[in-house]
Amino acid sequence: IVLTQSPGTLSLSPGERATLSCRASQSVSSSSLAWYQAKPGQAPGLLIYGAFSRATGIPDRFSGSGSGTDFTLTISRLEPEDSAVYYCQQYGTSPLTFGGGTKVEIK
Amino acid sequence: EVQLVQSGAEVKKPGDSLKISCKGSGYSFSSYWIAWVRQMPGKGLEWMGIAYPGDSDVRYSPSFHGQVTISVDRSVSTAYLQWRSLKASDTAIYYCVRHSKMGSSLSWFDPWGQGTLVTVSS
Repeated sequence: IVLTQSPGTLSLSPGERATLSCRASQSVSSSSLAWYQAKPGQAPGLLIYGAFSRATGIPDRFSGSGSGTDFTLTISRLEPEDSAVYYCQQYGTSPLTFGGGTKVEIK
Repeated sequence: EVQLVQSGAEVKKPGDSLKISCKGSGYSFSSYWIAWVRQMPGKGLEWMGIAYPGDSDVRYSPSFHGQVTISVDRSVSTAYLQWRSLKASDTAIYYCVRHSKMGSSLSWFDPWGQGTLVTVSS
């Protein structure tokens, strides 16, 4: 399953809303979609699993939605520490695949 | 605390062999699949393959089959990623990750190891 993320880069100001898209080439089974955040120089970390469930310790300004082939990660009020690359991943069908990533820049 | 700790950065020459490691702690190592993920410089994440410490079952992404060897030793709670003959194009950060659900290879990744930078240059 090929995952296409858009946009490639998002440049927004603190307090603004970020909307990241992840589109799958075929339906993702059982909404088996996760989002990860990768900050510069750090390993990626889990944000969202099951399309909309937040991982432990993730602030509620991060939310996931969608089903089938279209998924969205929303950051409701951007903070400077949200500057990172965000990846979606489908884990319902082998081989597991990642999207190409969306870079979020904070102005 | 569930943790994966990887071996340190490596600098190798083309043609060298290499084995990097990933030690799990804080959970039943035998019960969860471990995966390896590659990140080439400036690029995204690629799933390479997985291993199940409980029975040493190993599966590869078609893109990596024959290029690397994944293994596990549950006696020391450690997974390995190995190359017989490195190429410059193997330069990347390699992450080990634990599948989140006991016994399931179709689950999200959590946690991630800190990554091992492998540099292959003549």
